[in-house]
Amino acid sequence: QQQVKQSPQSLIVQKGGISIINCAYENTAFDYFPWYQQFPGKGPALLIAIRPDVSEKKEGRFTISFNKSAKQFSLHIMDSQPGDSATYFCAATLNTGFQKLVFGTGTRLLVSP
Amino acid sequence: EAGVAQSPRYKIIEKRQSVAFWCNPISGHATLYWYQQILGQGPKLLIQFQNNGVVDDSQLPKDRFSAERLKGVDSTLKIQPAKLEDSAVYLCASSSYLVFTDTQYFGPGTRLTVL
Repeated sequence: QQQVKQSPQSLIVQKGGISIINCAYENTAFDYFPWYQQFPGKGPALLIAIRPDVSEKKEGRFTISFNKSAKQFSLHIMDSQPGDSATYFCAATLNTGFQKLVFGTGTRLLVSP
Repeated sequence: EAGVAQSPRYKIIEKRQSVAFWCNPISGHATLYWYQQILGQGPKLLIQFQNNGVVDDSQLPKDRFSAERLKGVDSTLKIQPAKLEDSAVYLCASSSYLVFTDTQYFGPGTRLTVL
């Protein structure tokens, strides 16, 4: 019940296209949903995050859509660029008195020039 | 602001040997995390410290893994003895944890290969 399911496992998008990554969760105790971006040889870095009382959050070319009733959320990357090629992880946070991050399995995105 | 530092970056050992990883968090960050990231998977939390106290080690294989955070600053993670399935990247992260949604900042990780 503490899992976060992520799809697709890999994604190839042409430059300028829209990249969409989907995640789903079961535990309704999750109450914060960050997305992390990881380049080869680097640690994950926070990209964008959303609280479950908000249905959408946009930061530049990156948008999170959140459907609380369906327990699903997704990351949209508009106008995808080759520099966006990385692995993306959705995550969900349990507030147990201390923040506990549960990560999805990751999506490897390749944006072709 | 300096990021989370980890060393070594790479380590190759044989099974049954021991290994230790070091992490220096961002200055002033009270919370420190160790994650294990197996190839093709998301990071999995091993242990979480608040200052120098452990607040969550439920997924730490305590028969072989140990961690400490002396003086509430840097931390070491040890594996003794290592198994083949311990091959992974070990990530350290820190956060200020002033509010629940504070960002976790990750170091570059230590890639461990167990032969």
